[in-house]
Amino acid sequence: EAGVAQSPRYKIIEKRQSVAFWCNPISGHATLYWYQQILGQGPKLLIQFQNNGVVDDSQLPKDRFSAERLKGVDSTLKIQPAKLEDSAVYLCASSLNGDTDTQYFGPGTRLTVL
Amino acid sequence: GQQVMQIPQYQHVQEGEDFTTYCNSSTTLSNIQWYKQRPGGHPVFLIQLVKSGEVKKQKRLTFQFGEAKKNSSLHITATQTTDVGTYFCAGPNNDMRFGAGTRLTVKP
Repeated sequence: EAGVAQSPRYKIIEKRQSVAFWCNPISGHATLYWYQQILGQGPKLLIQFQNNGVVDDSQLPKDRFSAERLKGVDSTLKIQPAKLEDSAVYLCASSLNGDTDTQYFGPGTRLTVL
Repeated sequence: GQQVMQIPQYQHVQEGEDFTTYCNSSTTLSNIQWYKQRPGGHPVFLIQLVKSGEVKKQKRLTFQFGEAKKNSSLHITATQTTDVGTYFCAGPNNDMRFGAGTRLTVKP
């Protein structure tokens, strides 16, 4: 079974630039999560989708971050404009159907904002 | 939002020694999950605990859920260098997700 795919793996941008990350969850997984993990900290949930609907985006900085999951499969996370403090690893995870299921994480995208 | 609290933040042990990390919540948890993240890697699911007082074992790893379902622990017996990484507990709700983790290093 293929795992969660993410791209790109690494991205370096200057502050105020825009960046987008892509995630392809495990086939058949209804729930998709985006996490931000700053070095030395635990993953922080940014947004959770159930199929193509948003379940929770309470910790998403909506003035600069946006995410979508068209057709309930792939998802993109965008930052516009980026700030220095956005430097982190952005992890995508999926689960079969909700919070009580195992979350499978992708390899992450390491973002560096200069 | 609330977070599950983990202690210690760091633990350095000699290979062969035991290791324990603790996870605490101020509110009752319906379930708790444990993940391991190797250096440079992504979190990998280890186990989920649901029942009060539940104890589960995976080889040298023992997971326990408190009677009040407010705390949990992970104990590793006779650590090996392959146990190196950060161990996270995660609550069930989006406002009580991952703890800060316990980073384990093992000296051969």
